Amino acid sequence: EVQVVESGGGLVQPGGSLRLSCAASAFSFSNFWMSWVRQAPGKGLEWVASIKEDGSDKYYVDSVKGRFTISRDNAKSSLYLQMSSLRAEDTAVYYCASIHMGYWGQGTLVTVSS
Amino acid sequence: QAGLTQPPSVSKDLGQTATLTCTGNSNNVGYQGAVWLQQHRGHPPKLLSYRNSNRPSGISERLSASRSGNIASLTIIGLQPEDEADYYCSAWDRILTSWVFGGGTKLTVL
Repeated sequence: EVQVVESGGGLVQPGGSLRLSCAASAFSFSNFWMSWVRQAPGKGLEWVASIKEDGSDKYYVDSVKGRFTISRDNAKSSLYLQMSSLRAEDTAVYYCASIHMGYWGQGTLVTVSS
Repeated sequence: QAGLTQPPSVSKDLGQTATLTCTGNSNNVGYQGAVWLQQHRGHPPKLLSYRNSNRPSGISERLSASRSGNIASLTIIGLQPEDEADYYCSAWDRILTSWVFGGGTKLTVL
């Protein structure tokens, strides 16, 4: 059974940093683009970033460019999101996903507040 | 990044048919199609349809997806109480080089 498990969320002050991790299993992780998608409280889904199978290409939504970095370790079937200079508007549940394949984790909550 | 357009809400009676729409352009929906996702409150999204309109294993045959040009559609027949949820479409945009999402449609089964 495919499993995608996020971790690393929590409460952080504005301007702070946080690193999210995602562990995948039971599918060929290294063969798929992976993404982070977030959902602010009571709002819709928002794409955050995607990374190519081998990590050579990365794409970001404009609002996080220069602040967030997506990366992956195919040997560990893991995806990461390094977040810095966090703002209140980054508060959301962050999902790790292979969007086109339909593999989604349960999400991890990031709260940016003083 | 511009998003896909979905009606905010649709209400139908139990047992009726609902058709949800998702409008994009030739660079996203019209390019490779859209995935459809269902989300119940407090739960992660669940894939209902791949970009080629095929259903993943385990998804009810009451659901079917299609595409006509730049508009993707999801049809649910014989509406059940468990179909009440938020529905999102998403597509890869080759110009924006990003996934774009619709704002979601809240389906209410009366």
